[in-house]
Amino acid sequence: SQELEQSPQSLIVQEGKNLTINCTSSKTLYGLYWYKQKYGEGLIFLMMLQKGGEEKSHEKITAKLDEKKQQSSLHITASQPSHAGIYLCGASGDSNYQLIWGAGTKLIIKP
Amino acid sequence: DTGVSQDPRHKITKRGQNVTFRCDPISEHNRLYWYRQTLGQGPEFLTYFQNEAQLEKSRLLSDRFSAERPKGSFSTLEIQRTEQGDSAMYLCASSLGRGNNQPQHFGDGTRLSIL
Repeated sequence: SQELEQSPQSLIVQEGKNLTINCTSSKTLYGLYWYKQKYGEGLIFLMMLQKGGEEKSHEKITAKLDEKKQQSSLHITASQPSHAGIYLCGASGDSNYQLIWGAGTKLIIKP
Repeated sequence: DTGVSQDPRHKITKRGQNVTFRCDPISEHNRLYWYRQTLGQGPEFLTYFQNEAQLEKSRLLSDRFSAERPKGSFSTLEIQRTEQGDSAMYLCASSLGRGNNQPQHFGDGTRLSIL
């Protein structure tokens, strides 16, 4: 079965610095989703990538899906305290509808 | 803009009791999903509805768990004879029914604690 591995598990970044989070799949990705979660709350949809080489941006967050469609990266430019939280990648699993998930990357922004 | 709503937000109960959670999806979404999440992990798929039909159910879901979506709108998830291991965050999500790869929109979850 497909597995998603996220790295790093946690990240402490000085405010204003850039950072990158990676999501690697054991199988080809046919739909890769990035979500953000604050402790004790639900997941907030950030972006969806489908095509190899695709790149999307929203405000200071950019996500890419590599050409071989087995890895995605999430890049945050000039990090702010509002970026703190847990970032999760999700992908279509063995069925068409259920998503499988990485374990998440916990991001802390130091002021 | 009304998002996915879950009730209650928190539930504390004794082992062996039954609990029921409710999820109200975004109104135009005909797909509804239940997930379970424990600390430090991503969500784990439990079950999926398209309208009122339950189309997928995780093999990990024991027969103590049952979910319904009687009119294709809100859904309930019931856990019977709760056990310590059921302590988790239970998340509901919904999405549009047009094709695959529609993003799922999540509620804030119900946090269940078993004493």
